[in-house]
Amino acid sequence: NAGVIQTPRHKVTGKGQEATLWCEPISGHSAVFWYRQTIVQGLEFLTYFRNQAPIDDSGMPKERFSAQMPNQSHSTLKIQSTQPQDSAVYLCASSLDFANTEVFFGKGTRLTVV
Amino acid sequence: GDKVKQSPSALSLQEGTNSALRCNFSIAATTVQWFLQNPRGSLINLFYLVPGTKENGRLKSAFDSKESYSTLHIRDAQLEDSGTYFCAAYVGDNSKLIWGLGTSLVVNP
Repeated sequence: NAGVIQTPRHKVTGKGQEATLWCEPISGHSAVFWYRQTIVQGLEFLTYFRNQAPIDDSGMPKERFSAQMPNQSHSTLKIQSTQPQDSAVYLCASSLDFANTEVFFGKGTRLTVV
Repeated sequence: GDKVKQSPSALSLQEGTNSALRCNFSIAATTVQWFLQNPRGSLINLFYLVPGTKENGRLKSAFDSKESYSTLHIRDAQLEDSGTYFCAAYVGDNSKLIWGLGTSLVVNP
């Protein structure tokens, strides 16, 4: 079990460019979560999929951010027209079921917008 | 951080000593997880708890749903225990974990 795999581990983009972050959940897990972590804001929930369907995107910024889960083996978080304030560590997590089951995190993608 | 309050917010320990971290819940938590975020940023699973206790090596954790708290005990602290400890709780069938703000632990030689 390789755990939750996130790629790339580090990404540097220029202001205004697009960034796509990838996550491969643990095989067999039906719930996939995206979080963002910064020193100032701490750990913030962004969005969540269950059986590939988007369930709750209440934490996603309304503009420029989108997430998809085209199949059970990967999810993507896309940020259009990146801004310096988007710089953060983006964490993906998965769990066997949607509530009251253990959640496992990937190592994160550190996004730096210059 | 309002619904899950972690204490202390920061802690410094000498190697070999013991300590306890605590989470108090103002929500009806059903299950609790404890994580360690190491200096490299990885979130490591320590415990997943229904009401009760678990032990793993030098770590022991308890979750009391009636009294709405959870504790993490560290025995014989080692340098590699340094990092930020987070607790997070599920409430009923709500699919979103509710997080504490973390306890920053430094273990000194």
